[in-house]
Amino acid sequence: AQTVTQSQPEMSVQEAETVTLSCTYDTSESDYYLFWYKQPPSRQMILVIRQEAYKQQNATENRFSVNFQKAAKSFSLKISDSQLGDAAMYFCAYRSEQGGSEKLVFGKGTKLTVNP
Amino acid sequence: NAGVMQNPRHLVRRRGQEARLRCSPMKGHSHVYWYRQLPEEGLKFMVYLQKENIIDESGMPKERFSAEFPKEGPSILRIQQVVRGDSAAYFCASSPSGTGTQYFGPGTRLLVL
Repeated sequence: AQTVTQSQPEMSVQEAETVTLSCTYDTSESDYYLFWYKQPPSRQMILVIRQEAYKQQNATENRFSVNFQKAAKSFSLKISDSQLGDAAMYFCAYRSEQGGSEKLVFGKGTKLTVNP
Repeated sequence: NAGVMQNPRHLVRRRGQEARLRCSPMKGHSHVYWYRQLPEEGLKFMVYLQKENIIDESGMPKERFSAEFPKEGPSILRIQQVVRGDSAAYFCASSPSGTGTQYFGPGTRLLVL
């Protein structure tokens, strides 16, 4: 079974600075998707960014980018020019492309604090 | 385009009662997923449904929990004879066929007294 590990329970960053959140995963599959979701205090789950494993190019969405290292099974999220509104729980998630199940497997999350 | 809708947003039940959680997927989405989030935890998959079919229920407890996604109407997650350990946030997500991206509703917070 696939597992997702987020080794940083909490992180903090100064406003306007850059922060990187770590995520590693374990799988024997070659085709899959990886995601970062954000959960602010409202508890809504918001998609931040998605990466297809077959793509070598790292995904980017405005101030958010990933460093996808397939061989190392690593998928870190970089937030540039951090803003107060970035404060939230961040969850890394894995989705298999095999077996007919589209379920997401989540890590336990990293709580990001942004200091003014 | 309205997002994924869930209701109620908050639900309080006493032990032994039934809880019914509803989820309306985004327009054009035919795949629905239910996840549970315990306090201070990540989300755990429960069940994956398409219209009138349960595709994967490997995360559902064997007893008291059931889910459906009828041809017409919302998907329903039903918890019978609730216990305090069922207190959690229950999230529904939907996706169109084949894109791989799931969009989440706001969740239902269930509190069992």
